[in-house]
Amino acid sequence: DAGVTQSPTHLIKTRGQQVTLRCSPKSGHDTVSWYQQALGQGPQFIFQYYEEEERQRGNFPDRFSGHQFPNYSSELNVNALLLGDSALYLCASSLAWSPGELFFGEGSRLTVL
Amino acid sequence: GIQVEQSPPDLILQEGANSTLRCNFSDSVNNLQWFHQNPWGQLINLFYIPSGTKQNGRLSATTVATERYSLLYISSSQTTDSGVYFCAVDRNYGGSQGNLIFGKGTKLSVKP
Repeated sequence: DAGVTQSPTHLIKTRGQQVTLRCSPKSGHDTVSWYQQALGQGPQFIFQYYEEEERQRGNFPDRFSGHQFPNYSSELNVNALLLGDSALYLCASSLAWSPGELFFGEGSRLTVL
Repeated sequence: GIQVEQSPPDLILQEGANSTLRCNFSDSVNNLQWFHQNPWGQLINLFYIPSGTKQNGRLSATTVATERYSLLYISSSQTTDSGVYFCAVDRNYGGSQGNLIFGKGTKLSVKP
């Protein structure tokens, strides 16, 4: 049973560039949530996708956008990168309408220079 | 919004010692999870425990929902237990669940 997989694991970008991160949910899950974790902090909720639509959003600017595909996989896009966007980006999957746990991937570590 | 406070922020133990980590939350919740973040950054699920008590090997957890706190017990600690332990809660349920609010974590160091 495949867990949550994310790619790439590490990447380096420069200010102003754009980045796309990818996530495949755990088998049987239909909901994907994205989190940003700055160094030394707990993860913060960015947004959640269900049925290919953004269902909830945290306190992040419009530079952060996403997409969910029919196979439930998801992408996180960040435009006009800032130094402060350097962080570990975590994807979590769950099953909507079923109380239960979120399962996290290993994350994508983004460095903005 | 809901506040999650974890204590202590840092904990140093000798191998074999026992410890208790605490998580306080400011409002009723429908989901509470404990995670261990390993040095590579992955969040490993320890417990899904919105209420009650669970045990898994040397680890156990108790959540008293009416008093808005949860405890994580680590017995006979090992060096591999080192890392950051996070408590996370979600007020929502059904179609709106999935927005976990994390505490700042407890950084545990187990010395040989």
